[in-house]
Amino acid sequence: NAGVTQTPKFQVLKTGQSMTLQCAQDMNHEYMSWYRQDPGMGLRLIHYSVGAGITDQGEVPNGYNVSRSTTEDFPLRLLSAAPSQTSVYFCASGNRASTDTQYFGPGTRLTVL
Amino acid sequence: SQKIEQNSEALNIQEGKTATLTCNYTNYSPAYLQWYRQDPGRGPVFLLLIRENEKEKRKERLKVTFDTTLKQSLFHITASQPADSATYLCALYYSSASKIIFGSGTRLSIRP
Repeated sequence: NAGVTQTPKFQVLKTGQSMTLQCAQDMNHEYMSWYRQDPGMGLRLIHYSVGAGITDQGEVPNGYNVSRSTTEDFPLRLLSAAPSQTSVYFCASGNRASTDTQYFGPGTRLTVL
Repeated sequence: SQKIEQNSEALNIQEGKTATLTCNYTNYSPAYLQWYRQDPGRGPVFLLLIRENEKEKRKERLKVTFDTTLKQSLFHITASQPADSATYLCALYYSSASKIIFGSGTRLSIRP
């Protein structure tokens, strides 16, 4: 198993550009989520999904869109990048949010100029 | 909104001593509380989970307690080693919304 994979590892954008951060898992997990991590602020939940076709907002959803058309993939879209979105983005998956281990991807480091 | 606080300052411990990290939360008690370890440049790795009706959980040198009255969890590493140096994150699961919220983490350094 590859586990949770994220692409790209690094990305530099200009303000106003859009892009999609990819996340895939091969463990047949129902639950997937996206977090951003900024210095001193820990992980903040952006969006999450409890299964294919179901998504919901987390703590900081503004400026981001998600969709879950398959169990395996959970892409995160930045609609119009802003410098405030400069961060490290982590995707995670688990069988359930509650009692199961959440597996994290290696992260995507995004810089918006 | 829910707030989670961890030791804001880094913790420096002598090798062999017990490290104790704190996680405090406000408002509603979560159904479950999890602890993760994160090394620089990497994603968090799950360590332990404790349910709201459990007082204590152990795994090798790790021990977690959960006090819903104090709204606090303590994470202990006994016989600490330099390899335990990392950032430790607590995370709370809220069943009403099926989501996991993280604290900001505590950086732990174990000196030889």
